[in-house]
Amino acid sequence: DIVMTQSPDSLAVSLGERATINCKSSQSVLYSSNNRNYLAWYQQRPGQPPKLLIYWASTRESGVPDRFSGSGSGTDFTLTINSLQAEDVAVYYCQQYYNTPPWTFGQGTKVEIK
Amino acid sequence: QVQLVESGGGVVQPGGSLRLSCAASGFTFSSYGMHWVRQAPGKGLEWVAFIRYDGSNKYYADSVKGRFTISRDNSKNTLYLQMNSPRAEDTAVYYCAKDLALIMDYWGQGTLVTVSS
Repeated sequence: DIVMTQSPDSLAVSLGERATINCKSSQSVLYSSNNRNYLAWYQQRPGQPPKLLIYWASTRESGVPDRFSGSGSGTDFTLTINSLQAEDVAVYYCQQYYNTPPWTFGQGTKVEIK
Repeated sequence: QVQLVESGGGVVQPGGSLRLSCAASGFTFSSYGMHWVRQAPGKGLEWVAFIRYDGSNKYYADSVKGRFTISRDNSKNTLYLQMNSPRAEDTAVYYCAKDLALIMDYWGQGTLVTVSS
């Protein structure tokens, strides 16, 4: 199984500042035949179900604000939230869908306001 | 708009059984695979099971294999999770999620299952 490891476990960022979350997979999730990284990011606000933010490592889901961006390839990925807003307080999860089953998630990163 | 509504959660005794349902609307249910994902209290997300659009293939996490069964009724636009012989560690909120090319693009609100005597 592919193990997903996120860092940090939590971070506190001032409103309007940038938040950066890292995700590392235990093996590459880049499929060479289509040059796509099988990596998604989800946001889970308090008391809410997860919501898809980004897939293929860098493609924003429809309706997701452009202050959210994903980058990286192979085994190392980053979710960046530019100009943090109050509504961005949430736990963020990365997930691989390259080698399934099982689908595997990172442990989550909690983002709070400083 | 896509809607997924889980039901059937509650308190179940260890070794008992429980069936969860997920009613789908707003999309052609019979064309998409579906997942169950769970979240233990205060913990992260754990994928539980997947069923292809036509029910032809089913996959399970090792932690539930042989005890849980995923199924679907495309005539009723409903996904199920039969939980047999649950254990305390199965206590969690169970979410159903729609699959799109292996990505979980829509999630329900979840239903809480508590395994306790």
